[in-house]
Amino acid sequence: AQTVTQSQPEMSVQEAETVTLSCTYDTSESDYYLFWYKQPPSRQMILVIRQEAYKQQNATENRFSVNFQKAAKSFSLKISDSQLGDAAMYFCAYRSSSGGSNYKLTFGKGTLLTVNP
Amino acid sequence: DTGVSQDPRHKITKRGQNVTFRCDPISEHNRLYWYRQTLGQGPEFLTYFQNEAQLEKSRLLSDRFSAERPKGSFSTLEIQRTEQGDSAMYLCASIRNIRGYNEQFFGPGTRLTVL
Repeated sequence: AQTVTQSQPEMSVQEAETVTLSCTYDTSESDYYLFWYKQPPSRQMILVIRQEAYKQQNATENRFSVNFQKAAKSFSLKISDSQLGDAAMYFCAYRSSSGGSNYKLTFGKGTLLTVNP
Repeated sequence: DTGVSQDPRHKITKRGQNVTFRCDPISEHNRLYWYRQTLGQGPEFLTYFQNEAQLEKSRLLSDRFSAERPKGSFSTLEIQRTEQGDSAMYLCASIRNIRGYNEQFFGPGTRLTVL
């Protein structure tokens, strides 16, 4: 079974600064997807960024980028130019891409990000 | 707003009572998922439907839990004889194919408190 570990329960960053959230995972599969989801307080969880394991190039979405190290099974999220609206719980998630996959997600415990003005 | 709605948003019940939650996915999304999120944890998979067929159930889904998706549209999750350990946020998600990728869209969740 796959597991996802987020070792930072809480992180804080100053507005306009950069912060990196860590995630490690364990799997025996060679092909899979990794995600970072954002869950603002009392609001719906939304997808921040997605990485396909077969792609060596790290994914980037505006101020959000990942550092994907497949051999180390590490998948960190970097938020540049942090904004007050980035404050939320961030979840790292894994999804198998094997044939017949049911697309269910396996989540880490989350990292609560605080952005200080 | 992701387009996935859940009702109610909050439910407080006494131990031993039955509760039912509803999820309305984005129309034409054929896959629908239920997750449970307890305090300090990430969401955990409970079950999923493809159209009206329930194709997988997690070991977390005890006999007191039942889920349905009649006609492949909305879904309900019922918990019978609730226990304090059932207190959690129950999340629903549906899948939409965007540029060749199947992305899950989550609802706002139903927060259940069992007294």
